[in-house]
Amino acid sequence: GESVGLHLPTLSVQEGDNSIINCAYSNSASDYFIWYKQESGKGPQFIIDIRSNMDKRQGQRVTVLLNKTVKHLSLQIAATQPGDSAVYFCAENIGAQKLVFGQGTRLTINP
Amino acid sequence: SQTIHQWPATLVQPVGSPLSLECTVEGTSNPNLYWYRQAAGRGLQLLFYSVGIGQISSEVPQNLSASRPQDRQFILSSKKLLLSDSGFYLCAWSSWLAVNNEQFFGPGTRLTVL
Repeated sequence: GESVGLHLPTLSVQEGDNSIINCAYSNSASDYFIWYKQESGKGPQFIIDIRSNMDKRQGQRVTVLLNKTVKHLSLQIAATQPGDSAVYFCAENIGAQKLVFGQGTRLTINP
Repeated sequence: SQTIHQWPATLVQPVGSPLSLECTVEGTSNPNLYWYRQAAGRGLQLLFYSVGIGQISSEVPQNLSASRPQDRQFILSSKKLLLSDSGFYLCAWSSWLAVNNEQFFGPGTRLTVL
């Protein structure tokens, strides 16, 4: 949406620490939320999704939390590794066969 | 399994020249298809999407156009490129059956307009 012209915010974490990436969404009627990971020079890849009737969903080393009251979504990555360095996008399914993507966050890992 | 292809992978074009980027999907039928542009260090901007052959929806007015001549083929074109058209162009597909509308992205085409 409107955030595509903004530079990506950056999150730097130490290798082995946990990372928390946040996202605000706009549409109360969105029924699914998806997190994507985009490595440099590649297309985004699906990480995990969460349905709007859930508050939390866990995957392998990742957890997504959904707070519908404040329209906030977060992605937690446990024990961050160098391979986690990427840009992370949240996306909300607004219907009409379209996703609305957030502005993205660049995650960098310090050794 | 489904795969999505884009070509070329990189392209350098002079201002004012035409453009044609191609995207094809294998292993699925009647996919929804999408073109996104990503400027360096920026987010994803949806340019066009298509829910069927010959059906194109434009999200942002610009000097680009899209066509879908076949079910699994999506083409992005321009008659005259501008400097501002430089960027990373991503094609994606989704299944109309998917409840979450998960989109699967291609490898992208990096376009530099000089």
